[in-house]
Amino acid sequence: SQQGEEDPQALSIQEGENATMNCSYKTSINNLQWYRQNSGRGLVHLILIRSNEREKHSGRLRVTLDTSKKSSSLLITASRAADTASYFCATDGKDYKLSFGAGTTVTVRA
Amino acid sequence: ETGVTQTPRHLVMGMTNKKSLKCEQHLGHNAMYWYKQSAKKPLELMFVYNFKEQTENNSVPSRFSPECPNSSHLFLHLHTLQPEDSALYLCASSQDGEGTQYFGPGTRLLVL
Repeated sequence: SQQGEEDPQALSIQEGENATMNCSYKTSINNLQWYRQNSGRGLVHLILIRSNEREKHSGRLRVTLDTSKKSSSLLITASRAADTASYFCATDGKDYKLSFGAGTTVTVRA
Repeated sequence: ETGVTQTPRHLVMGMTNKKSLKCEQHLGHNAMYWYKQSAKKPLELMFVYNFKEQTENNSVPSRFSPECPNSSHLFLHLHTLQPEDSALYLCASSQDGEGTQYFGPGTRLLVL
C-alpha cells in the first residue's frame, strides 16, 4: 500500500535554480529514502535518512525529516539539466518493506 | 548501471504467450524484489525473496509466478497475461531485506 506521497506532482525550473519537493507519510518509519528515476529506467538511490536524524546532505542534495509531522523534503541546489527526472520518497516500517509514493517529476530548463 | 541486470529490456507478448523475465544481481545481496510500475501510479511491490525464500506475495495474480533459484537470480514467469499487465517491471536487491535497494533498469512489457 502507498505510504509516501510526494508534492508537487510536477515541477519545472530554470537551470541553476533550486528545486524543493516534499513527502508525507502515514505510519512510523525506521528510515526514509529518496530515489531518482530517469525516464523509463530503474530507480537510483540518492540518500537515506534515519528516523533519529533531522537533516542530511549529499553533494547538492539536502534532505530533512520531521517525524512529528511525518514529512520529509528534498532540496536540489543549483539544478542542472541532468537533474531532470522523477523523484520518489520511500519509507520502510516495521517489516522493512519499502513503500513508494507516486513521485515528483522535475524538469530543468536550460 | 547499478550491479543489477534485467533481461529482456523490452518485451511484447500476446495474451496466450508464456515468457520469463530474468534478474541477476552482482552485489552479494540476499534479498531480491519484483516491482510493477504503471504510468502515473506508485511502484507496487509484487514479491520479496529473502535468502531464496519468498517472504511476500502482495496479492499478485497467479498468472505471475516468481522463481528464485539462488540469492543472485530472480525470475518472473508470465502466462496468459492481460493488457492491463503492461508496465515496467523492476527488479531490486538489498542486504538483509532492509535499507537501500538497488534497482535494475527494468523490463518494459507490452501485452497485446
